[in-house]
Amino acid sequence: AQRVTQPEKLLSVFKGAPVELKCNYSYSGSPELFWYVQYSRQRLQLLLRHISRESIKGFTADLNKGETSFHLKKPFAQEEDSAMYYCALKGTGANNLFFGTGTRLTVIP
Amino acid sequence: GAGVSQSPRYKVAKRGQDVALRCDPISGHVSLFWYQQALGQGPEFLTYFQNEAQLDKSGLPSDRFFAERPEGSVSTLKIQRTQQEDSAVYLCASSLGVSGANVLTFGAGSRLTVL
Repeated sequence: AQRVTQPEKLLSVFKGAPVELKCNYSYSGSPELFWYVQYSRQRLQLLLRHISRESIKGFTADLNKGETSFHLKKPFAQEEDSAMYYCALKGTGANNLFFGTGTRLTVIP
Repeated sequence: GAGVSQSPRYKVAKRGQDVALRCDPISGHVSLFWYQQALGQGPEFLTYFQNEAQLDKSGLPSDRFFAERPEGSVSTLKIQRTQQEDSAVYLCASSLGVSGANVLTFGAGSRLTVL
């Protein structure tokens, strides 16, 4: 069975501090992993996907198959990063995304 | 339109009533998804359409839930005889390709409250 675990429901960091949002997954095949973000009063939107290997808004995420993790990192948090972050998994041949329960990030000025 | 449009944005129903939630995806998007998001939870998959074909309805929680997309564009999620546990935000998302959930564009959601 596939499962996405985001162990922290809430995470607070000070502006300028590094931030890491944890995501662990359980899947027997080769999944695609995504991070989606929801800013206040906005829609859920894609932040980044592991196959793109890109940095978006200063965020990066590396798929670690050995640790089955896909943690989201940013070296210097900004106030505008405050949002709800969801890690999501798409299984091989699957149609749908399987989401974690989300982490609410608050960046303290 | 410019994005995925959902209506109504808010719906209050008495227990036992039927409700219908509408999703208007981005024009030309082949894939359409419905998700249910309960308070404090992540979105949970309900059903998936590729054009007008409902290819996966494994996430529908009961036979009270029914979805359709008859012409391959607008979709309707219908919930019959609503129960309190149906209270949630119902999210619609679409994507361009036929390989399902690659990059999903979400609507703003329809918040259903069942009294």
